[in-house]
Amino acid sequence: QKEVEQDPGPLSVPEGAIVSLNCTYSNSAFQYFMWYRQYSRKGPELLMYTYSSGNKEDGRFTAQVDKSSKYISLFIRDSQPSDSATYLCASEPGGYNKLIFGAGTRLAVHP
Amino acid sequence: DAGITQSPRHKVTETGTPVTLRCHQTENHRYMYWYRQDPGHGLRLIHYSYGVKDTDKGEVSDGYSVSRSKTEDFLLTLESATSSQTSVYFCAISNGTSVAKNIQYFGAGTRLSVL
Repeated sequence: QKEVEQDPGPLSVPEGAIVSLNCTYSNSAFQYFMWYRQYSRKGPELLMYTYSSGNKEDGRFTAQVDKSSKYISLFIRDSQPSDSATYLCASEPGGYNKLIFGAGTRLAVHP
Repeated sequence: DAGITQSPRHKVTETGTPVTLRCHQTENHRYMYWYRQDPGHGLRLIHYSYGVKDTDKGEVSDGYSVSRSKTEDFLLTLESATSSQTSVYFCAISNGTSVAKNIQYFGAGTRLSVL
């Protein structure tokens, strides 16, 4: 079992839809959680960074961590075609400076 | 790309030849990483460095070596390239010393094809 599991999709939604992207993790020591966005043929870029449980909002994006169920979510409101990308979740236990990545979910938002 | 330059950006080589990929940063970050990205596997850590001349293995280090003689440069070498090493290689850096110290910033990637 991988330490971070992520459904690879692809996920196709119409413009304006609410998108939910999810990951599960197995290591209860994970404390830091990140979401990266990767456009085709580009490097990953940090989208959201959270520590421990709870929600964090940034514009149309909300990151949610539920440590009791080891579940990480990213919600995108009012999705746009420009949101079409691969989204990678990542976790780190703290103190190791090494991230564990999910496989990435490919999202397509069509007009 | 956060002051990270990877070179070359594309390379085609033959099985059995040595290949060196370079990562150069202008951020003076302590940590540097090499990943490979393959369909269905996401990003997998090859090697990382936590300082000049300080390196350690990652998840998929077999067939790869690294060197870091200066803070700004981290080299990844395939001693004898194999077709299984055809992949997209990403370099990343992190500060390691301040708030949100474990956030990694990525370069644009190198596409390597081993024929």
